[in-house]
Amino acid sequence: ELKVEQNPLFLSMQEGKNYTIYCNYSTTSDRLYWYRQDPGKSLESLFVLLSNGAVKQEGRLMASLDTKARLSTLHITAAVHDLSATYFCAVGYGNKLVFGAGTILRVKS
Amino acid sequence: GAGVSQSPSNKVTEKGKDVELRCDPISGHTALYWYRQSLGQGLEFLIYFQGNSAPDKSGLPSDRFSAERTGGSVSTLTIQRTQQEDSAVYLCASSRRQGANQPQHFGDGTRLSIL
Repeated sequence: ELKVEQNPLFLSMQEGKNYTIYCNYSTTSDRLYWYRQDPGKSLESLFVLLSNGAVKQEGRLMASLDTKARLSTLHITAAVHDLSATYFCAVGYGNKLVFGAGTILRVKS
Repeated sequence: GAGVSQSPSNKVTEKGKDVELRCDPISGHTALYWYRQSLGQGLEFLIYFQGNSAPDKSGLPSDRFSAERTGGSVSTLTIQRTQQEDSAVYLCASSRRQGANQPQHFGDGTRLSIL
């Protein structure tokens, strides 16, 4: 059974700082996704990563995938308050997504 | 509509009652998924529909849970004889097809509370 671990589970950052969220998974997969969830809201798709070495960037967020290490990272550059949310990685496993526990990100002014 | 639509947004019911949750996927999306999100268990897969194929029910936690998808569009998730541990947010998602480069688009969910 596939297991997905995210760390840290909680991250408090100062505005302007950089940080990385890590997503490890236990079994080979050909697809990995990052989602954002705001309080009381649903999940918003951020990135789809399909191949080893894939890197995608959108604004201050950059995601990468190392399939050999079974590791994906979500890097935050020069954080701003609007990035405060919960971030989930999800790994494709058959017909379903297996989600990590989520990282609660709080960006302080 | 532009996104996945779920109803009701909130449902409060007594233990032992049956509930039905509805999902209207994005037009043209053939793949439909149900997940639930709870504090203790995180996000868990429940069931998957793809076109007219037999659904993947491997995530349903008990035989009290069932789902159907009529006409390849709207789906209903039914929970019979609800228990307190069924309290969670039930999320529906859809995608164009079950394929690697197709992200699942999620609805706002139904928050289910069992008293």
